[in-house]
Amino acid sequence: EAQVTQNPRYLITVTGKKLTVTCSQNMNHEYMSWYRQDPGLGLRQIYYSMNVEVTDKGDVPEGYKVSRKEKRNFPLILESPSPNQTSLYFCASSLQGPSGNTIYFGEGSWLTVV
Amino acid sequence: EDQVTQSPEALRLQEGESSSLNCSYTVSGLRGLFWYRQDPGKGPEFLFTLYSAGEEKEKERLKATLTKKESFLHITAPKPEDSATYLCAVGSGTYKYIFGTGTRLKVLA
Repeated sequence: EAQVTQNPRYLITVTGKKLTVTCSQNMNHEYMSWYRQDPGLGLRQIYYSMNVEVTDKGDVPEGYKVSRKEKRNFPLILESPSPNQTSLYFCASSLQGPSGNTIYFGEGSWLTVV
Repeated sequence: EDQVTQSPEALRLQEGESSSLNCSYTVSGLRGLFWYRQDPGKGPEFLFTLYSAGEEKEKERLKATLTKKESFLHITAPKPEDSATYLCAVGSGTYKYIFGTGTRLKVLA
């Protein structure tokens, strides 16, 4: 089954404690991205990757890091989480980016930073 | 600046009461307009992709249309299970998807 898998689905952490949210896709997609979703603000792009070892900032990259060492994986790293990073996070992938390609989403990761 | 605006923010319908959701956009170089359905706490689920003005697509009670400035999602004779948030997005340039904030639809039995 074609899917985007995120882990963990739910996490409560403390300010400053580094964490990683993993994302894996099994569709051989080149394009992967991370979004955060907050009430009233919709989906905002954090980072995206066009292919292995190629990443770039989205609209809200501050406080986040990413890496793309393998085509299927695109982890999101919060080096020093802060309460304003409490949000619902989605990983997504598409074949070759927005040029008419449908983007597929994971189930989401609820992150609370206290 | 590329922008996607959805209206209304929220919509309550009686079962069987047809209506339309609007997605207006300004984007340099449209690379497709996408509609998604999102249930609470879940990831967005793909519904349609539209590429050019005049294009229409249908799926069960849903029909999406596209003009040069906006897209409509028509819901015919909705049922309670159609209750969800409907998201519109556009592909812009080579690397960006831009999402609207969604329309929360509630269909009452």
